[in-house]
Amino acid sequence: DTEVTQTPKHLVMGMTNKKSLKCEQHMGHRAMYWYKQKAKKPPELMFVYSYEKLSINESVPSRFSPECPNSSLLNLHLHALQPEDSALYLCASSQPGGHWELFFGEGSRLTVL
Amino acid sequence: GESVGLHLPTLSVQEGDNSIINCAYSNSASDYFIWYKQESGKGPQFIIDIRSNMDKRQGQRVTVLLNKTVKHLSLQIAATQPGDSAVYFCAELLKTSYDKVIFGPGTSLSVIP
Repeated sequence: DTEVTQTPKHLVMGMTNKKSLKCEQHMGHRAMYWYKQKAKKPPELMFVYSYEKLSINESVPSRFSPECPNSSLLNLHLHALQPEDSALYLCASSQPGGHWELFFGEGSRLTVL
Repeated sequence: GESVGLHLPTLSVQEGDNSIINCAYSNSASDYFIWYKQESGKGPQFIIDIRSNMDKRQGQRVTVLLNKTVKHLSLQIAATQPGDSAVYFCAELLKTSYDKVIFGPGTSLSVIP
């Protein structure tokens, strides 16, 4: 199983809503990542979890709250988002020591109204 | 030809020709350089990587060249096929943190049948 599964594929939310994006992998990877990607732009790193601990937060606003309940799951909790937060949110995972080969999911397309 | 401007740089090639996609990097501390391919509606997919102490690495139909003197990276695709049409990103892994993969701006490759 070499898949990273993200749900939902599409999400529309209002600025006062609370929602979550979910990511799951069963490759035994111990590093998991959230990236944000705007149209025609490269993915931008948001958070990195290594062995279920948050190792990197790229100064992301607190309205984005990551969570890593176990080594296979990664969540991104969303609250009080702004329209400019609309983007494709990509989850990725990697092997320990092989952090340059990221395995990406297909992303969750978020629209904030 | 190749165009750079407000839009994603685009490279158009005839099917069967070789493609060369270029990337400039700025961080001398980068330890690994990686090429990813992103097809429409999908997450980025690892193609090939090269360590900073190497000049060239070959894969199946792809070759990556690294010129550290001018901080330049290129991806060569032999006998380009329609399935190669995608956006290609170079990325770098910073020596200071093996968790941090940073993507470059990307080039859109369009293969003309």
